[in-house]
Amino acid sequence: NAGVTQTPKFQVLKTGQSMTLQCAQDMNHEYMSWYRQDPGMGLRLIHYSVGAGITDQGEVPNGYNVSRSTTEDFPLRLLSAAPSQTSVYFCASRDRGVDGYTFGSGTRLTVV
Amino acid sequence: SQQGEEDPQALSIQEGENATMNCSYKTSINNLQWYRQNSGRGLVHLILIRSNEREKHSGRLRVTLDTSKKSSSLLITASRAADTASYFCATTRNTGGFKTIFGAGTRLFVKA
Repeated sequence: NAGVTQTPKFQVLKTGQSMTLQCAQDMNHEYMSWYRQDPGMGLRLIHYSVGAGITDQGEVPNGYNVSRSTTEDFPLRLLSAAPSQTSVYFCASRDRGVDGYTFGSGTRLTVV
Repeated sequence: SQQGEEDPQALSIQEGENATMNCSYKTSINNLQWYRQNSGRGLVHLILIRSNEREKHSGRLRVTLDTSKKSSSLLITASRAADTASYFCATTRNTGGFKTIFGAGTRLFVKA
């Protein structure tokens, strides 16, 4: 099925560990974004990309890196996990001129 | 800080009633979008209104935009229990790379 695929769905990390959250879309969308959602809160933009090879920072970029080597993939790397990064992470994509974002189902990350 | 702020934070109504949610934002925008999130799921795009539009309809949804007051409202008519969800507004600016920023959301509960 076409859409945005996020893996893993759940992850527990120890403080200081690093990991990569994967995001892939098969709709040939130009724009992709990563958001985090803390309990009872809205989404905060971490990083976004307007095309392969182009990324930029969002509202809360510290502690995260991204790259966009292909149109399809937009991985999010946690450099050294901290308990404050415990959250649900959503990846989303949209095409230029398309109204709204298509969201993945999220990755629930716990840092202990 | 988040660009959009929804009001009220929570809303409880009876099935069949109308639900109105408001969103205020801080800077000039290119468009404003509304999304729905069912508990524990990804967000689903509902409707987009551009900065040069004042009102838009989609099924039981009616969105208004007042750029002079930097505010928008989402009206759901004849609500159903299945409308129970969190609703978020999101704004995209035409400067700063087209990033889309979300508000904190309104939690709607429709009682059957």
